[in-house]
Amino acid sequence: GQNIDQPTEMTATEGAIVQINCTYQTSGFNGLFWYQQHAGEAPTFLSYNVLDGLEEKGRFSSFLSRSKGYSYLLLKELQMKDSASYLCAPTLSGGYNKLIFGAGTRLAVHP
Amino acid sequence: DTGVSQNPRHKITKRGQNVTFRCDPISEHNRLYWYRQTLGQGPEFLTYFQNEAQLEKSRLLSDRFSAERPKGSFSTLEIQRTEQGDSAMYLCASSLNQGNQPQHFGDGTRLSIL
Repeated sequence: GQNIDQPTEMTATEGAIVQINCTYQTSGFNGLFWYQQHAGEAPTFLSYNVLDGLEEKGRFSSFLSRSKGYSYLLLKELQMKDSASYLCAPTLSGGYNKLIFGAGTRLAVHP
Repeated sequence: DTGVSQNPRHKITKRGQNVTFRCDPISEHNRLYWYRQTLGQGPEFLTYFQNEAQLEKSRLLSDRFSAERPKGSFSTLEIQRTEQGDSAMYLCASSLNQGNQPQHFGDGTRLSIL
């Protein structure tokens, strides 16, 4: 079976840094995607990790530890528009990138 | 690149009716996926096409659900004899057929069963 665990909700202050953790247990693993989803909108791609380590992309960074089944998304210099759900999605090996989504973490950024 | 397009955006129907949704992927994308999302949950995988071939169907997809991608371009998802539990957002995504390319999602079709 597949299991993805993320905190349900987080709050943070504008300008701060927040880290959203994700642990996963999947039958086979290829890589891990992070998506952002604003209420009522489509998920949008943020980052992808396949090797262990940190991938940095502007204000967003993502980290992966394959041996620990662990990833995090780091958001720096938070802005009000970063209030959204953040979805952790491992992909299974041997396939075509079928995404297995967690329930997501709802982040609220306050002034 | 006009993005993934889905229509209708909203569909309200009575229980027992049939509904059909359409997805137009990004034009050069070979891979097309359907997901279902309910409130407070992440999207759940339903089915996957590579060009016109449907290569995987989730066990979530009962016999009342059918999807097609007849010419390897747009896709349709039909639900027959709708039930209350079918109320959800139905998302379509597409990607290139190269390694670990990200999936690009449409805005979805929100289905409400009365």
